[in-house]
Amino acid sequence: QKEVEQNSGPLSVPEGAIASLNCTYSDRGSQSFFWYRQYSGKSPELIMSIYSNGDKEDGRFTAQLNKASQYVSLLIRDSQPSDSATYLCAVNESGGSNYKLTFGKGTLLTVNP
Amino acid sequence: EPEVTQTPSHQVTQMGQEVILRCVPISNHLYFYWYRQILGQKVEFLVSFYNNEISEKSEIFDDQFSVERPDGSNFTLKIRSTKLEDSAMYFCASKQGLYEQYFGPGTRLTVT
Repeated sequence: QKEVEQNSGPLSVPEGAIASLNCTYSDRGSQSFFWYRQYSGKSPELIMSIYSNGDKEDGRFTAQLNKASQYVSLLIRDSQPSDSATYLCAVNESGGSNYKLTFGKGTLLTVNP
Repeated sequence: EPEVTQTPSHQVTQMGQEVILRCVPISNHLYFYWYRQILGQKVEFLVSFYNNEISEKSEIFDDQFSVERPDGSNFTLKIRSTKLEDSAMYFCASKQGLYEQYFGPGTRLTVT
């Protein structure tokens, strides 16, 4: 069973701080990795994708990938109360052509004003 | 900006009834998916669809489930005889190229 693991949280940070979210995956052959944000009762919203080792920055978000350690992280700089949501790590499993996503359970982030 | 749409937003049905959940993927996308999320649990893959056929299905996607792309825009999920445990949010997703999937707003299915 291919797994994606995340700390469920809740992770609580003050407004303006850096929030750090972590994810590990079991399928060593996985090639692509995603972070989705999900507000309560809403659908997953894609915020970052990363395909190669290293860092990828987009505005206040930075995704980090280390395939050797099977580890993906998301940093949110200058956290805002509107960032309060559950952050889902998702991985494209290797093999096949359908590129289905395997999700972690998500980390609940609370940004306190 | 193009987006995936789903109807209805909420469906209430009685156990044993058939339901059809509808999705309109982003127009130039080629790969289509259904996922579900039971309250408080992780998002789970149900089925993928490409080139007018199922490319992969999960263990959840048993004979009670079917998918169809009846025309050039709609993508449907049918549950033939609903069970209480089918109560969940159902998300449709689509993608154009190899990687990034975009999700619709979901249909909340409540089976009573």
